[in-house]
Amino acid sequence: GENVEQHPSTLSVQEGDSAVIKCTYSDSASNYFPWYKQELGKRPQLIIDIRSNVGEKKDQRIAVTLNKTAKHFSLHITETQPEDSAVYFCAASGGSNSGYALNFGKGTSLLVTP
Amino acid sequence: ETGVTQTPRHLVMGMTNKKSLKCEQHLGHNAMYWYKQSAKKPLELMFVYSLEERVENNSVPSRFSPECPNSSHLFLHLHTLQPEDSALYLCASSQWGPTGVGGYTFGSGTRLTVV
Repeated sequence: GENVEQHPSTLSVQEGDSAVIKCTYSDSASNYFPWYKQELGKRPQLIIDIRSNVGEKKDQRIAVTLNKTAKHFSLHITETQPEDSAVYFCAASGGSNSGYALNFGKGTSLLVTP
Repeated sequence: ETGVTQTPRHLVMGMTNKKSLKCEQHLGHNAMYWYKQSAKKPLELMFVYSLEERVENNSVPSRFSPECPNSSHLFLHLHTLQPEDSALYLCASSQWGPTGVGGYTFGSGTRLTVV
């Protein structure tokens, strides 16, 4: 089945700096790549997603890039703020091997210090 | 509420008990999922239902038994659990279509403690 690797596991940045989280996937048939943010004690929430027919997508301070050839995708957060502190999960759909269920990376704990 | 409701929010059960987790979605989605979230293995896929039919069982022990009576409701029946089953159990729903899966909406989860 699909295997999603996520790095780094923890990331600490100063307020105003940029943060980048990277993920790789194994199933070349995967075509949907969402990112979720989970604040402490709360449910994961979708923040941005990208499909395989697009190389980059941006929403205000958040952007996602996708390299289908290398099978990796990244989350970029610019001008970070303390409220960006949370655990971020990348995911990929299973593609042809296991239907459309999402397989998640292990998460990145982001800390933004004032 | 985001449209996916899970009950109970917290559950403490002994290893010989039988209990059920409930999930309800009001988003009109046609797929529902159970995930287990623990410190060691975040967001493990357990079960997938599409149009009330189980399409995936991710090698989950038989002490976990899912049920999907209709497209809006999903249950997870628990019996003779082990302490290592203690975790946050998250339900999610999404829409499947010709272009594949859409974004998940998660419930708030059930924090399960097995004693």
